[in-house]
Amino acid sequence: LAKTTQPISMDSYEGQEVNITCSHNNIATNDYITWYQQFPSQGPRFIIQGYKTKVTNEVASLFIPADRKSSTLSLPRVSLSDTAVYYCLVGPNTYNTDKLIFGTGTRLQVFP
Amino acid sequence: NAGVMQNPRHLVRRRGQEARLRCSPMKGHSHVYWYRQLPEEGLKFMVYLQKENIIDESGMPKERFSAEFPKEGPSILRIQQVVRGDSAAYFCASSPDAAYEQYFGPGTRLTVT
Repeated sequence: LAKTTQPISMDSYEGQEVNITCSHNNIATNDYITWYQQFPSQGPRFIIQGYKTKVTNEVASLFIPADRKSSTLSLPRVSLSDTAVYYCLVGPNTYNTDKLIFGTGTRLQVFP
Repeated sequence: NAGVMQNPRHLVRRRGQEARLRCSPMKGHSHVYWYRQLPEEGLKFMVYLQKENIIDESGMPKERFSAEFPKEGPSILRIQQVVRGDSAAYFCASSPDAAYEQYFGPGTRLTVT
């Protein structure tokens, strides 16, 4: 069973870059790494997904080292609206429902 | 393209009553997932369905809970004889395939009194 470990919480100020790291020592060869964002009273929102090296989209970047045992979600120049819980998931596809584990995530608080 | 729709958004039931939660996936999505979330906790997977089929219900309690995704109409999560411990937010997600990019609805907040 793939298990991920994230910091429980992080604080930042507006305009700073935030890096949230997720450890997944038992990642399998065919597993992808996926990050979601959840605001209070809303469903999670897909942010980014990657397999190796670096992936970037309009919202965030995802850095994955060669051994893939961890990954880092990078949010450039955060704003107050980035205050949310961020979840890291590791798995090949949703047929492997035992890997659909959102956990408690990382609660990011952005201050003005 | 409308997002995932869930209704009702809030549902209050007395102990022993039945709760029916509905989820309309995004257009073109044939994979539906239900999750439960307690306050200050992460989402817990309950059941995975494709049209007319239950793919995996390993996360759903064996008694009182059932789910369906008929050929026509929304997916339904049904909770019979609700108890206070069923009070939670229930989220539905859909995807066009089995990849991890799921689209979530706004959730149904069930309160059992």
